[in-house]
Amino acid sequence: DVKVTQSSRYLVKRTGEKVFLECVQDMDHENMFWYRQDPGLGLRLIYFSYDVKMKEKGDIPEGYSVSREKKERFSLILESASTNQTSMYLCASSQSGGALPDTQYFGPGTRLTVL
Amino acid sequence: DQQVKQNSPSLSVQEGRISILNCDYTNSMFDYFLWYKKYPAEGPTFLISISSIKDKNEDGRFTVFLNKSAKHLSLHIVPSQPGDSAVYFCAASHLPSGNTPLVFGKGTRLSVIA
Repeated sequence: DVKVTQSSRYLVKRTGEKVFLECVQDMDHENMFWYRQDPGLGLRLIYFSYDVKMKEKGDIPEGYSVSREKKERFSLILESASTNQTSMYLCASSQSGGALPDTQYFGPGTRLTVL
Repeated sequence: DQQVKQNSPSLSVQEGRISILNCDYTNSMFDYFLWYKKYPAEGPTFLISISSIKDKNEDGRFTVFLNKSAKHLSLHIVPSQPGDSAVYFCAASHLPSGNTPLVFGKGTRLSVIA
């Protein structure tokens, strides 16, 4: 079974703090993704990565950065957290090619509250 | 501009009846479609997919239908069970995409009433 884990289920931070959200997958997937989910807005892609040290902007990259130093790990960084970044953050991974290419497998999510 | 649209934010169905969730897309390059199910405070889980070479794919109680000419797909759940109550997301991509992310709809909240 594919397993995607996220470092925290719930996180509370203060405005201006630097926040790190970690994601690890154990299926040797090439692709990893960060989304945020907000009511009425669905899943919005923040950043994704095809390979180690590669990153691509998604639909809403402003205020975020990412790091992928190892294939299994993809980190999302909020350089200076703001209240409008309060959200559910979801990490996902997928393989390139194979029987179900592009099928993304999600972690359990991190509910981040910025006060 | 939304490329994948789920026009019904919510749907209520009686237990044992059929649930039909709809999804429309605008990008004719899409040729692979997926449905995900999401419970509160959990990540989405992959449910079923279909490629554009098919018009139907079935897995147990779940069937996805694809109408390419109408750019429309639907997920049928028969019979609906209370445990099916969740938010369902439709997603699309085009193969062979390699590294193109999925495009998600905004989701439909299904409530199955016992």
